[in-house]
Amino acid sequence: DTEVTQTPKHLVMGMTNKKSLKCEQHMGHRAMYWYKQKAKKPPELMFVYSYEKLSINESVPSRFSPECPNSSLLNLHLHALQPEDSALYLCASSRVDTQYFGPGTRLTVL
Amino acid sequence: GQNIDQPTEMTATEGAIVQINCTYQTSGFNGLFWYQQHAGEAPTFLSYNVLDGLEEKGRFSSFLSRSKGYSYLLLKELQMKDSASYLCAVRDSNYQLIWGAGTKLIIKP
Repeated sequence: DTEVTQTPKHLVMGMTNKKSLKCEQHMGHRAMYWYKQKAKKPPELMFVYSYEKLSINESVPSRFSPECPNSSLLNLHLHALQPEDSALYLCASSRVDTQYFGPGTRLTVL
Repeated sequence: GQNIDQPTEMTATEGAIVQINCTYQTSGFNGLFWYQQHAGEAPTFLSYNVLDGLEEKGRFSSFLSRSKGYSYLLLKELQMKDSASYLCAVRDSNYQLIWGAGTKLIIKP
């Protein structure tokens, strides 16, 4: 089983809203990732958690705040986003080599 | 700098064979991945190469030459559902994935 789940599938929010994206995996993977993907572009790495600790933050604005409550869950808290933050947000997890992606959350910021 | 090149778009005929090339220049090499991505969906893992040679998995094969910084993805017996973007990604010395821009493959009947 290589399933990563993400909720919600779609999210529309205003620039003053606070919302959270959720990601879950039960494969025992110890690395989890957040990516942002714009149309016709490859995924851009945002954050990496390794053994529940933030190991990489790719200079992401503070309006994006990741959280890893336990080894199976990864959240991305959103606050005061801009319209240019509208994108597909992908979560992935890996054991050693291969990253497996969740279906993504399509985010629209109005 | 780090660079991965792959063609922007390719067209092929249903039932035929197509080869998608990927060349890379990265700081270190710890494996090369191919992913398939249908429009609006998440990338799906296809193959992983870390040693030179050909890896075959059903209708899909992937080849790697580390000395040439080159890989290809070979798709046989093309089906309409193979219409998608194919992303090449290299894991660098920091074990981070460096992504190519993707190749949009269009399959015609």
